[in-house]
Amino acid sequence: EAQVTQNPRYLITVTGKKLTVTCSQNMNHEYMSWYRQDPGLGLRQIYYSMNVEVTDKGDVPEGYKVSRKEKRNFPLILESPSPNQTSLYFCASNQQGGNQPQHFGDGTRLSIL
Amino acid sequence: EDKVVQSPLSLVVHEGDTVTLNCSYEVTNFRSLLWYKQEKKAPTFLFMLTSSGIEKKSGRLSSILDKKELFSILNITATQTGDSAVYLCAGSGGTSYGKLTFGQGTILTVHP
Repeated sequence: EAQVTQNPRYLITVTGKKLTVTCSQNMNHEYMSWYRQDPGLGLRQIYYSMNVEVTDKGDVPEGYKVSRKEKRNFPLILESPSPNQTSLYFCASNQQGGNQPQHFGDGTRLSIL
Repeated sequence: EDKVVQSPLSLVVHEGDTVTLNCSYEVTNFRSLLWYKQEKKAPTFLFMLTSSGIEKKSGRLSSILDKKELFSILNITATQTGDSAVYLCAGSGGTSYGKLTFGQGTILTVHP
């Protein structure tokens, strides 16, 4: 089954403790993205990747890191999480950038105390 | 800075009503306009529009893009309670493929 898998689905942690949210897709898509969703603000793109070792900033990259060492994986790293990064995070993938729709994972709800 | 604005932000209707959701965009190097439906979990894809004036239809849902006025609408006819969701539109563009800017979403509630 074609899917985008995120882990963990839920996480409660404390300020400053490094965390990684993993994202994996099995559709051989070149493009992968991370978004955060906050009430009243819709989905905002954090980072996106056009292929292995090629990434670019979205609209809200501050406080986040990404890497794309393999085509199927695109982890999101919070080196020193802060409470304003409490949010619902989605990973997505698609073929051929803006000319194909994105497939979303089920989301990761992060709470940073 | 790219911007996508949706209206109304929320809408309450009764089953059988027809609704029109609006999306205006300002996206550098615009490529396409996408509509998604989000219920409890991840957004699910509805339409992608790249050409002006060509209506896309899927059952009771239809959508059209006006690239001159930088505007798109999503129509839902004969609404059902299962149409209750957040509807998101997004503009694809930017200097490299992959940049996607979403609007705030329209919360649609359909009462029986």
